[in-house]
Amino acid sequence: EVQLVESGGGLLQPGGSLRLSCAASGFTVSDHHMDWFRQVPGKGLEWVARSRSKARGYTTEYAASVKGRFTISRDDSKNSLYLQMNSLKTEDTAVYYCARDNSFFSFDVWGQGTLVTVSS
Amino acid sequence: DIQLTQSPSFLSASVGDRVTITCRASQGVNSYLAWFQQKPGKAPKLLIYTASSLQSGVPSRFSGSGSGTEFTLTVNNLQPEDFATYYCQHLNGYPITFGQGTRLDI
Repeated sequence: EVQLVESGGGLLQPGGSLRLSCAASGFTVSDHHMDWFRQVPGKGLEWVARSRSKARGYTTEYAASVKGRFTISRDDSKNSLYLQMNSLKTEDTAVYYCARDNSFFSFDVWGQGTLVTVSS
Repeated sequence: DIQLTQSPSFLSASVGDRVTITCRASQGVNSYLAWFQQKPGKAPKLLIYTASSLQSGVPSRFSGSGSGTEFTLTVNNLQPEDFATYYCQHLNGYPITFGQGTRLDI
């Protein structure tokens, strides 16, 4: 079964750091562009970052709101994607999802989400 | 950034109805437009990609159309499980953005 499972969310104070993980099964992560999204509970969806596939050199893109603070990476040996989040702000509070690009300009596999709460 | 504006933001309908949701882009996105369904506490589910292609496993009562700056999602013969929030999304450059969502209520 094709699946993504996120982990690593939690409660932390402003200025803190957190690393989210996204473990894939049923497909090979290196073959796909992979992205992180987030959603404030009750609000809309926001794209956070992209890691392109191995064939595209693992190049990355970031939303302006997280550029310089967040880093997307992957470990193909573990078939996993990561999001390192530094200098966290209260406005980073959200459910974070990882998703697989379906090679047709959209996302066909999503994880269940992991909640990150930044609060003093 | 490309802004996606969905209309309406809220929609009430009944089982068996046909509904249409519109997504307008602030600039052309070719056909790189997708539609998602999301239920409370769940991840988004891909319904339509490249404007009109039906994702595998999605019922044929869902359909999409459009290109450039105006797109529509149509749901025929609404079923109880279709009451949810719907989002459009583009991938015609970065940042990838979503519409604000359309909540479909009974």
